Amino acid sequence: DIQMTQSPSSLSASVGDRVTITCQASQDISNYLNWYQQKPGKAPKLLIYDASNLETGVPSRFSGSGSGTDFTFTISSLQPEDIATYYCQQYDNLSWTFGQGTKVEIK
Amino acid sequence: QVQLVESGGGVVQPGRSLRLSCAASGFTFSSYGMHWVRQAPGKGLEWVAVIWYDGSNKYYADSVKGRFTISRDNSKNTLYLQMNSLRAEDTAVYYCARDPSSVRGVDAFDIWGQGTMVTVSS
Repeated sequence: DIQMTQSPSSLSASVGDRVTITCQASQDISNYLNWYQQKPGKAPKLLIYDASNLETGVPSRFSGSGSGTDFTFTISSLQPEDIATYYCQQYDNLSWTFGQGTKVEIK
Repeated sequence: QVQLVESGGGVVQPGRSLRLSCAASGFTFSSYGMHWVRQAPGKGLEWVAVIWYDGSNKYYADSVKGRFTISRDNSKNTLYLQMNSLRAEDTAVYYCARDPSSVRGVDAFDIWGQGTMVTVSS
């Protein structure tokens, strides 16, 4: 099974800062990589699909890039409402795997 | 609006069974694959099972294979998860999630329910 290594596990940043999270797959997954936001006590929400495509209705400050094994998720200007845990997720050969999550806090 | 609502969670003893339901509304349920994803308290997300839009194929995580069964009733717009031989490590919030791959070619979980808590404890 493909393993996803997400880093960092947590970060603290100021409002307006650029925030970057990385996700590495244990083998080539092309662009089958999605990013989710989960606020405390809530269900996850799809933000980015196929590595770089913004889901409808998601603010443009969120973006994703990468292919193969290395992927990046970026918040261009952190807002107070972005406090959440972010997960990467891959799909390959009837296997769906999530990264460990990155908890984003305001400094 | 597009909505998924889970039910059926609760406290159950180890070795016993429980059936979860997920009621869909606001979209053509029979056109979408559906998944169950779970989250143990304070932990990350774990994929559990998937069923094709027409029920023709079902796949499971190794951790639940042989104990859990996913099914659907497209006439009732409802997804199910039958959980047998429950263990303490099955304690989690269980989410149903929609898979739009058969409709728009995107392999993701684009709509989620609010989740239902399952606690396995004696």
